[in-house]
Amino acid sequence: GAGVSQSPSNKVTEKGKDVELRCDPISGHTALYWYRQRLGQGLEFLIYFQGNSAPDKSGLPSDRFSAERTGESVSTLTIQRTQQEDSAVYLCASSSRQLIETQYFGPGTRLLVL
Amino acid sequence: RKEVEQDPGPFNVPEGATVAFNCTYSNSASQSFFWYRQDCRKEPKLLMSVYSSGNEDGRFTAQLNRASQYISLLIRDSKLSDSATYLCVVISPPGNTGKLIFGQGTTLQVKP
Repeated sequence: GAGVSQSPSNKVTEKGKDVELRCDPISGHTALYWYRQRLGQGLEFLIYFQGNSAPDKSGLPSDRFSAERTGESVSTLTIQRTQQEDSAVYLCASSSRQLIETQYFGPGTRLLVL
Repeated sequence: RKEVEQDPGPFNVPEGATVAFNCTYSNSASQSFFWYRQDCRKEPKLLMSVYSSGNEDGRFTAQLNRASQYISLLIRDSKLSDSATYLCVVISPPGNTGKLIFGQGTTLQVKP
């Protein structure tokens, strides 16, 4: 079946603009995660949705970052007033409730803020 | 202190060598541990789980030392295709809430 998809695959924007990144998880996966990975760095946890529970937003770096998820489907990560330090790959992953350790990652969105 | 720490490397080894990576975690209540692999400019993928008694998957052996709070990954008979970044992953307690904490990764380069 289809894996996790993300769009756009690449995004170039100007400093100060807002961007919206989209993630389509694997159908039936209740858990959805957003991570950020800067060049040459590890994965930085941003936010985690599990079913209808309140999301874990503890990793969001500032109030310019927000994410939404409708039910157990699509999620969007919004970055307002982008800064150059926001340049990174934004990875989305999903997992089933039964196998939470197996996260399936999307290909990521490469964001470049000029 | 980071919850999960790894030596970033890179580890440069010849084909056929045996190489081991360690990873330490700070929360003694952590229960579940994994190794993920990330190829250059690709997304991470689950390599193997780490069980208390240690476990093998072909040339790969994972071990857990709870007393010292570290996890290891041993790769025997290294292949060129093993070149990648290996991410140590811990599930953050309490229980299996699903929040995976990733280490920054250890980069392995296998040379011919």
